[in-house]
Amino acid sequence: GDSVTQMEGPVTLSEEAFLTINCTYTATGYPSLFWYVQYPGEGLQLLLKATKADDKGSNKGFEATYRKETTSFHLEKGSVQVSDSAVYFCALRGKAAGNKLTFGGGTRVLVKP
Amino acid sequence: DAGVIQSPRHEVTEMGQEVTLRCKPISGHDYLFWYRQTMMRGLELLIYFNNNVPIDDSGMPEDRFSAKMPNASFSTLKIQPSEPRDSAVYFCASSLVGISTEAFFGQGTRLTVV
Repeated sequence: GDSVTQMEGPVTLSEEAFLTINCTYTATGYPSLFWYVQYPGEGLQLLLKATKADDKGSNKGFEATYRKETTSFHLEKGSVQVSDSAVYFCALRGKAAGNKLTFGGGTRVLVKP
Repeated sequence: DAGVIQSPRHEVTEMGQEVTLRCKPISGHDYLFWYRQTMMRGLELLIYFNNNVPIDDSGMPEDRFSAKMPNASFSTLKIQPSEPRDSAVYFCASSLVGISTEAFFGQGTRLTVV
C-alpha cells in the first residue's frame, strides 16, 4: 500500500540557516503530495502541496518539488526563523488507495536564535 | 466556516470508562478522517468516511474502538472500555472529494486515561 518515509528528527538549526527535510513515497498511480505543519498544541495545517510531477508547491518561504523519477518531495527553506520551530509532516493522497491521506512519521524542527 | 470542530478539547477518564469524542466537519466536505497521535507511534489513521459511509477501518486498534457518522455534520469516536494505552491526541479532519484536495484538521482532543 501507500507509504511515506521522512527523515527523523529532531533537526536543530540556528536562525537564518538552510532547512531541508527529506521525504520519499511509495504509491500506485499518481498521488498528490502535501506538507503539513503542526505548531505546539495545535492541529495540523497545510503548508503546501503539489498535484502532479514536476509541480513546485510554495508557501511562507518553503518550497517542495514533486519528483516522480525519485519518488521524492523534499521540503526546503532558505533562511529559517525561530517561528518555524514545529513538526513537519509529509503526506500523500492517491486514488488507488481510496483517497486515503497517508502521513509520514513527522520531523521535529527546532530553530535557535 | 468555523473549521473542523472537535469536542471536548481535553478529557481525563478512569480506566474502564466509556469515552466519546465528537467531531463536526466543515460543511460540504465529503470525507472525514479520524487520526490518533502519540509520541511512540506518530500519526495513525484510524478510520475514514466518504459521504457518511465508513471506507476503511483497518486502523482501528481493536473492538473497543468504534466510530459512527450518522449524518454529514457529525461523527463520533467511542472507546469502551478505555485503557491507559489509549491516552493520545485524537484528531478529526475533513476534506472535499478528489486527491488534490487537502484535509482540514480540528484542534484535537487530548485524552488521558488514568
